[in-house]
Amino acid sequence: EAQVTQNPRYLITVTGKKLTVTCSQNMNHEYMSWYRQDPGLGLRQIYYSMNVEVTDKGDVPEGYKVSRKEKRNFPLILESPSPNQTSLYFCASSFNGGLNTEAFFGQGTRLTVV
Amino acid sequence: AQSVSQHNHHVILSEAASLELGCNYSYGGTVNLFWYVQYPGQHLQLLLKYFSGDPLVKGIKGFEAEFIKSKFSFNLRKPSVQWSDTAEYFCAVNAGNFNKFYFGSGTKLNVKP
Repeated sequence: EAQVTQNPRYLITVTGKKLTVTCSQNMNHEYMSWYRQDPGLGLRQIYYSMNVEVTDKGDVPEGYKVSRKEKRNFPLILESPSPNQTSLYFCASSFNGGLNTEAFFGQGTRLTVV
Repeated sequence: AQSVSQHNHHVILSEAASLELGCNYSYGGTVNLFWYVQYPGQHLQLLLKYFSGDPLVKGIKGFEAEFIKSKFSFNLRKPSVQWSDTAEYFCAVNAGNFNKFYFGSGTKLNVKP
């Protein structure tokens, strides 16, 4: 089954404790991205990756890092989480990020930073 | 920067009522348009998409949307809603030159049985 898998689904952590949210897709997609969803703001892109070793900032990259060492995986790293990063996070993938492609979303990770 | 506007933030309807959710975008070039639905506690699922061709697009669960290029709009419609349509709906635009999807702020639909 074609899918995007995120882990963990729920995470509560303390300020400053490094964490990683994993994302994996099995569709051989080139393009992957991370979004955060906040009430009234919709989804905002954090980082995206056009292919292996090619990443770039989205609209709200501050406080986040990503890596793309393999095509299928695109982890999101919070080196020193802060309470304003409490949010619902979605990983998405698409064939190439260009026109005539659709995005497939993971199940989401609800992160709480206390 | 491109933008996507959803003017209705919260809509409450009774079952069998008709639905129309507005979506406007700001990019003037070639775009792909999408409506995604997010049921409570779940991830985003694709309702329908427009790439090219017939501007009236039919999606799953009886939803349809009409692309009106001159108005930069892609409104979502359903003739008769059901309680199971209670969800949040997101309009999204892919302006290919920018390699990203732009999302609206979402519309929460509450259908009363």
